[in-house]
Amino acid sequence: DTAVSQTPKYLVTQMGNDKSIKCEQNLGHDTMYWYKQDSKKFLKIMFSYNNKELIINETVPNRFSPKSPDKAHLNLHINSLELGDSAVYFCASSSHQSFGTENTEAFFGQGTRLTVV
Amino acid sequence: AQSVTQLDSQVPVFEEAPVELRCNYSSSVSVYLFWYVQYPNQGLQLLLKYLSGSTLVKGINGFEAEFNKSQTSFHLRKPSVHISDTAEYFCAVSDPFGANNLFFGTGTRLTVIP
Repeated sequence: DTAVSQTPKYLVTQMGNDKSIKCEQNLGHDTMYWYKQDSKKFLKIMFSYNNKELIINETVPNRFSPKSPDKAHLNLHINSLELGDSAVYFCASSSHQSFGTENTEAFFGQGTRLTVV
Repeated sequence: AQSVTQLDSQVPVFEEAPVELRCNYSSSVSVYLFWYVQYPNQGLQLLLKYLSGSTLVKGINGFEAEFNKSQTSFHLRKPSVHISDTAEYFCAVSDPFGANNLFFGTGTRLTVIP
């Protein structure tokens, strides 16, 4: 039973399109995240939600809009896709906002490879 | 702000040989340190973490890491690697004040050669 699941796993789309990536966690966690991994494998946080409330919003274009309908879901909607958006997007969740507690661990989904052509 | 440097982008090593993957961090405050592993086409999985206390931390799959505050390092080691250890390894840092964020290094690709 997958803890953090993302759909789709692969997404190929044309420039200018709007697309969404869905994420669901069945761990009962309060905090969810979106990370972007670029072609050089560099991972950077995009957003963090705690109990459906936005906590972290890094310098991400307004074309990216996260939506958290409930604690178990954090979807990522991207408008007007650009070539530079091509990357692997990872969803993650944790039981706490702080990674400094003994039992806090971030669980990652398998990633969504987005290719914009 | 925190940052993480993984000096080696690729590390090839023969099966059953020891390995060390290097990680250095910079931070103006005390930090929490993590190692994650990413197997092909999978998400990241926590190997081990350092929060406080003993500087030698043991993790899953026989890995361990040592926190060295004076050298601002958190190198990952395994005395004898297996083919199944072939993966991408990421060092990450978080701090007690902005602790709901993980800052990742650029990763080290470990390839175990039969």
